Amino acid sequence: GQQLNQSPQSMFIQEGEDVSMNCTSSSIFNTWLWYKQDPGEGPVLLIALYKAGELTSNGRLTAQFGITRKDSFLNISASIPSDVGIYFCAGQFTAGNKLTFGGGTRVLVKP
Amino acid sequence: GAVVSQHPSRVICKSGTSVKIECRSLDFQATTMFWYRQFPKKSLMLMATSNEGSKATYEQGVEKDKFLINHASLTLSTLTVTSAHPEDSSFYICSARGMAGYEQYFGPGTRLTVT
Repeated sequence: GQQLNQSPQSMFIQEGEDVSMNCTSSSIFNTWLWYKQDPGEGPVLLIALYKAGELTSNGRLTAQFGITRKDSFLNISASIPSDVGIYFCAGQFTAGNKLTFGGGTRVLVKP
Repeated sequence: GAVVSQHPSRVICKSGTSVKIECRSLDFQATTMFWYRQFPKKSLMLMATSNEGSKATYEQGVEKDKFLINHASLTLSTLTVTSAHPEDSSFYICSARGMAGYEQYFGPGTRLTVT
């Protein structure tokens, strides 16, 4: 079945740094979604991408839908402490299909 | 907009009892609702998909007689964990999708502990 490989699995950030994470797939998707999950909460939708090559921003977040439709990345610029959490990518082949989730990227603050 | 609520947020029950979790879309009509289970430090595992007014479609390995799903209206779906056992303890999250069919919004989750 479809699989999404998300990397890195975890990362440490220092306030002010830019961070990046990505997802790659063995098959194409026509929609990519990025979510953030805080401990004990449900995932919150950050950005939705609908078109290959699309670059979309939401505040300090920027995500791109890869031109091959098999990958997507998420950038966080000038990170702040509240950016800590788990970020999930999700792909959908067509509207109405279920989502396929990546394994998540755990963002932690550098001690 | 696009708010999904879940109730209860936490529940503790005794082994052998049943527990019902409600999922509501508050400001949109959810033609499809999904139920996920999440283990600690893991990604979301889809349990079942339900469309309003029809039977749920369960993922492979999910017991439909144990995890009863009802999607009686466009704003409400329920998950009932029947005859719960300690291994059913987990974080259960619902999500809802509107008629456009692309974006999926998640509830805040329900922490189930079976003693």
